[in-house]
Amino acid sequence: RKEVEQDPGPFNVPEGATVAFNCTYSNSASQSFFWYRQDCRKEPKLLMSVYSSGNEDGRFTAQLNRASQYISLLIRDSKLSDSATYLCVVNKGDAGGTSYGKLTFGQGTILTVHP
Amino acid sequence: SQTIHQWPATLVQPVGSPLSLECTVEGTSNPNLYWYRQAAGRGLQLLFYSVGIGQISSEVPQNLSASRPQDRQFILSSKKLLLSDSGFYLCAWSVLSGGYNEQFFGPGTRLTVL
Repeated sequence: RKEVEQDPGPFNVPEGATVAFNCTYSNSASQSFFWYRQDCRKEPKLLMSVYSSGNEDGRFTAQLNRASQYISLLIRDSKLSDSATYLCVVNKGDAGGTSYGKLTFGQGTILTVHP
Repeated sequence: SQTIHQWPATLVQPVGSPLSLECTVEGTSNPNLYWYRQAAGRGLQLLFYSVGIGQISSEVPQNLSASRPQDRQFILSSKKLLLSDSGFYLCAWSVLSGGYNEQFFGPGTRLTVL
């Protein structure tokens, strides 16, 4: 089983649509969680960190369910500029609780927003 | 504000040749530094990380090595490149903040080994 699993898509949605991405992780000791976006042939860019209580940033809402080891990202009112690959990322930390920021990346979910 | 630089942006090298990729960070002190590789059509794989000058941890056995000669400089090297070393190499930095170790990536180096 992969450490971080995502539906690879692709998701093709019209402008204005709401789209949701799901992600599961296998290591219950994982400590922190993120969503990154990556444009074609570019570096990943941090979209948002995911907090236990869930968090929202404009049109983007992230949720975390530790019991189910599940993370989600909801995008409302999709824009053409939202087209990218969305990466679910988990930091499992080390034994003893020390975290050196060793991230594990999912394979990514491809989103295409069309006019 | 913090910025991270990588060079070169693209590189084409023959099999068996040496490699040196450089990454520098500005605007922060004592960052954690990371090297990742993204092979074509695949996810990012952590290669090395460093928590300080001269401190390098390797995540996977491979044909590559890393060094950190200065606080904000991280170098990825190889003595003899293999075809399988082709990929998109990304350097990242982070500083622990509020329990979250958010990482920020440089623009990357796209390496093709022929």
